[in-house]
Amino acid sequence: DQQVKQNSPSLSVQEGRISILNCDYTNSMFDYFLWYKKYPAEGPTFLISISSIKDKNEDGRFTVFLNKSAKHLSLHIVPSQPGDSAVYFCAASARSNTGKLIFGQGTTLQVKP
Amino acid sequence: NAGVTQTPKFQVLKTGQSMTLQCAQDMNHNSMYWYRQDPGMGLRLIYYSASEGTTDKGEVPNGYNVSRLNKREFSLRLESAAPSQTSVYFCASSEGSAQKPYEQYFGPGTRLTVT
Repeated sequence: DQQVKQNSPSLSVQEGRISILNCDYTNSMFDYFLWYKKYPAEGPTFLISISSIKDKNEDGRFTVFLNKSAKHLSLHIVPSQPGDSAVYFCAASARSNTGKLIFGQGTTLQVKP
Repeated sequence: NAGVTQTPKFQVLKTGQSMTLQCAQDMNHNSMYWYRQDPGMGLRLIYYSASEGTTDKGEVPNGYNVSRLNKREFSLRLESAAPSQTSVYFCASSEGSAQKPYEQYFGPGTRLTVT
């Protein structure tokens, strides 16, 4: 039972355009959501997060949107750069989970010059 | 400040062999985690340690054991390796504080192949 789903295995966008990565979840107890970025042969690195009390969080070129009623979050990257090419994982946690994260399958983003 | 370090980076085992994956963090974090990453599966939690002296099972604990040796170190042991344990293993740590309860910092990974 996949509680966090990233239904698009891959996404390709042109440099300078917007990249939108999507994530759906099923557990209504999740109250914190994170995005991680992973380059080949490296560990994931934290990118941005959002608490369930907010619907938007912005950090430079990265914005995460949360739609609780739809159990959906998205990561927007504007403008996209070739260095953004990586695998992006969304993750979710619940206050009762003692900090454990549930990860989605990941989406591979390719930004073409 | 090295963050989270893992050894070894690569390992090939024969079925039935045992080995221990080492992990250490220098950020004074309370919580530590072991994940495995398989193609199309994302990262799945094997075991975690919320604080020194405690360990708990995650989503896929079968075939593994862990030891939280001290606040810095958290090791993962495969007692009798199986081909199904071929994977990339990541160790992570988090502050686990009220201010930052969820952000985890990952090591570079260990690529394990069991033949």
